[in-house]
Amino acid sequence: SQTIHQWPATLVQPVGSPLSLECTVEGTSNPNLYWYRQAAGRGLQLLFYSVGIGQISSEVPQNLSASRPQDRQFILSSKKLLLSDSGFYLCASIQGQGRGYTFGSGTRLTVV
Amino acid sequence: GEDVEQSLFLSVREGDSSVINCTYTDSSSTYLYWYKQEPGAGLQLLTYIFSNMDMKQDQRLTVLLNKKDKHLSLRIADTQTGDSAIYFCAETSPYSSASKIIFGSGTRLSIRP
Repeated sequence: SQTIHQWPATLVQPVGSPLSLECTVEGTSNPNLYWYRQAAGRGLQLLFYSVGIGQISSEVPQNLSASRPQDRQFILSSKKLLLSDSGFYLCASIQGQGRGYTFGSGTRLTVV
Repeated sequence: GEDVEQSLFLSVREGDSSVINCTYTDSSSTYLYWYKQEPGAGLQLLTYIFSNMDMKQDQRLTVLLNKKDKHLSLRIADTQTGDSAIYFCAETSPYSSASKIIFGSGTRLSIRP
């Protein structure tokens, strides 16, 4: 079965600082990978997804970017954080339609 | 576009049954899911149902699907304090690029003694 590792678990960053969140997947190959953001008290917003190395699709225009340098590695980045980037970031993986996502444990980002 | 809607809050007494409801708009949905999120954690897949099924039961969980009304429900029998969490309804269709799953906004279930 798949396991997703995300780190760090919590992060406090000043406005204008860069960001790099990493997600790695074990137990599968060539998965589809996803980055979601959950704002306080709200649902999940899909930010980016990737169907393969170097292939990134963005769902919403924003201050963030994503990269997939290796098959099982997915990175979320920003050059300059905004206050509105605060939230709970979740990485997810799927092996095939119907099986549902496997989620990482998330990173809580607070921009101050 | 696709949309999934749920009520935001539900409060039930310990030992009673909880019923969480969800409606969706995509008539081509093939898989419908229920996820559970405990405080500060990621989402855990509880159960799913394929669109050609009306009901699925798994221990204390019962999923009912009314495809005509595009209505999905999750019933938790004998609700316990450990069931306190946010429950997300979600769906996907074969026309969804990259197998994207669309989530509702989540229903926060609280248990009172």
